[in-house]
Parts: sequence; structure tokens; C-alpha cells
Amino acid sequence: SQTIHQWPATLVQPVGSPLSLECTVEGTSNPNLYWYRQAAGRGLQLLFYSVGIGQISSEVPQNLSASRPQDRQFILSSKKLLLSDSGFYLCAWSRDGPWGEQFFGPGTRLTVL
Amino acid sequence: AQKVTQAQTEISVVEKEDVTLDCVYETRDTTYYLFWYKQPPSGELVFLIRRNSFDEQNEISGRYSWNFQKSTSSFNFTITASQVVDSAVYFCALSEAGDSSYKLIFGSGTRLLVRP
Repeated sequence: SQTIHQWPATLVQPVGSPLSLECTVEGTSNPNLYWYRQAAGRGLQLLFYSVGIGQISSEVPQNLSASRPQDRQFILSSKKLLLSDSGFYLCAWSRDGPWGEQFFGPGTRLTVL
Repeated sequence: AQKVTQAQTEISVVEKEDVTLDCVYETRDTTYYLFWYKQPPSGELVFLIRRNSFDEQNEISGRYSWNFQKSTSSFNFTITASQVVDSAVYFCALSEAGDSSYKLIFGSGTRLLVRP
């Protein structure tokens, strides 16, 4: 069966510090991968998606970046965090095709102080 | 442009009441897929149902039922005899066949509070 992992689960970082969130998927190959952010009490905003190794598409201009160094690994990074980067970050994967539901990881709660 | 609207920000009901969560979508694609997800307090999104644009049959799964109507671009979700464990945020989402990323466009969510 497939599983998706995210770490860390929670993170408190000062403004201006770097960020690295990791997401890995097990039990499937060549998944589509996604990073979403959910601000407190709000809906999900798609940040990045990837349809293959090294292929990253950005949905929203920001100071975040994403990388996919391996087939089942997706990393979200920032060189300098802003207060507005606080939120709940969710990684998801899906099988090839729009009919497939996305499976979400447990999320990382990021607080920037 | 594609869009999903969940006009109900928050709904509060008493246990055992029926409740309907509304979802209205916009898309230019003729082939698309609609989803509902549940987000309990733990935060992880749980998949509930998927519907494709060619299948307008209503679906029932236990206390849950879904009403898909292309004529009104709606995909509403009804919980019958609600329970406290149904308390969560519910998201409706859209995926378009013409979008090679297969990304989901989410509504803003409806927070459901079921009181004992």
C-alpha cells in the first residue's frame, strides 16, 4: 500500500531563517506531487506541483521554492522566511490522470515569529 | 477560469440533524472530476468521493450522499443523522482533464460543527 510522509510535524522558525520541509511517498512510482499551504481558517492554496524528477511548476509567486531530487521525494524550501509564510503545509500525491484522487500527508504546521 | 465556491463558511447543527454542504464549480472543460475531502482537527485531508462529469448519478455511502447536477454546476454533500464525529472542515475540489498537472482546485471549505 502507498504511504506519504512529511517532516517535521511542527516547526517554529524566526523571520529570515531558512526552511526545508520534506515529503516522501512509498509504494508507488512516478507520482504527481503537490505542495499546498493552508493559512489559519482558510482553504488550500496550491504552491507547487511536479509531474517528474526535476520538473517543478509554480502556481503562486513567493519566496518559496520546491525541488524533486528523486522520484518520490519532494522538498519545499525558503532562503529567508517571512511572517506570512506561517501556515499548515500539506504534501500530496496522485496517480497519473485527473481522475485520481490526491492522497495527503499529515502536514507540517509552520509558525514564523 | 476554473473555480470552486463553498458559500457556507460554517454550519452548526445538533446531533442527528441532517445537513447539506453546498458546492458550486466553474470550468470550461467538458471532462472534469469533482471531489470531496474531510479535514478533521488533526489536519490531514481524507478523501471521501470522486465524481466524473459524465456520471450524474447520485451516490450514497452510509450516512453520506452526494447530489451532482451539471445543469446548476453543483455537487452538494448531505450528511444524514449527523454525529459529533462528523465535525470537521469539508472541502469540495475540481480537477480538469485538460490540465496536464491534474491539480485540484479547492473551495474555501465549510466548517461543520455537530453539537451533542
